[in-house]
Amino acid sequence: AQKVTQAQTEISVVEKEDVTLDCVYETRDTTYYLFWYKQPPSGELVFLIRRNSFDEQNEISGRYSWNFQKSTSSFNFTITASQVVDSAVYFCALLSGNTGKLIFGQGTTLQVKP
Amino acid sequence: DAMVIQNPRYQVTQFGKPVTLSCSQTLNHNVMYWYQQKSSQAPKLLFHYYDKDFNNEADTPDNFQSRRPNTSFCFLDIRSPGLGDAAMYLCATSRTGTGSYNEQFFGPGTRLTVL
Repeated sequence: AQKVTQAQTEISVVEKEDVTLDCVYETRDTTYYLFWYKQPPSGELVFLIRRNSFDEQNEISGRYSWNFQKSTSSFNFTITASQVVDSAVYFCALLSGNTGKLIFGQGTTLQVKP
Repeated sequence: DAMVIQNPRYQVTQFGKPVTLSCSQTLNHNVMYWYQQKSSQAPKLLFHYYDKDFNNEADTPDNFQSRRPNTSFCFLDIRSPGLGDAAMYLCATSRTGTGSYNEQFFGPGTRLTVL
């Protein structure tokens, strides 16, 4: 079975704090892809990052960084020096390379207060 | 800019009155998806088109149908909307490459209200 778990339902931080959003996944596929999407109040899902199962390199993009560890089946997302505009629901998702079906976690609502 | 467009952004319909939501894309992606997202929940896949091939999810009610007349357009038809069908409907596209699927790009969504 394939499953994505985002244990943190809601997180509230003060602007400029660092925050990490956790994501744990389950799959029996040898080839799979992991994603993070941001959903601001407007509703659109914005693609943030894709990571292939065979590429465990961590990635940094500006204030965003991602830590992929196959040994613990985790794909965590860190926002450094958070800003109010980072307030949104963040979804971690798993894509089976064979079926094309995207399995979403339940989402983490991040609130960044001024 | 290449994008995924959904019209209308907000749709109000009456209980039992058929409604059609539309999605178009300028990305030239061969796969198009429809998701239903209810409040405080993750998006739920209803069905997708891989080129012209329609793939329905096992738990998608018969009340939901889809059409893809060409690469750029895809429609979601709700034949007899019930109150439980009120939700955000998201269209997404992706392209396949070397036999695998790539990331999905989402439109802004259509928020459906059923009165």
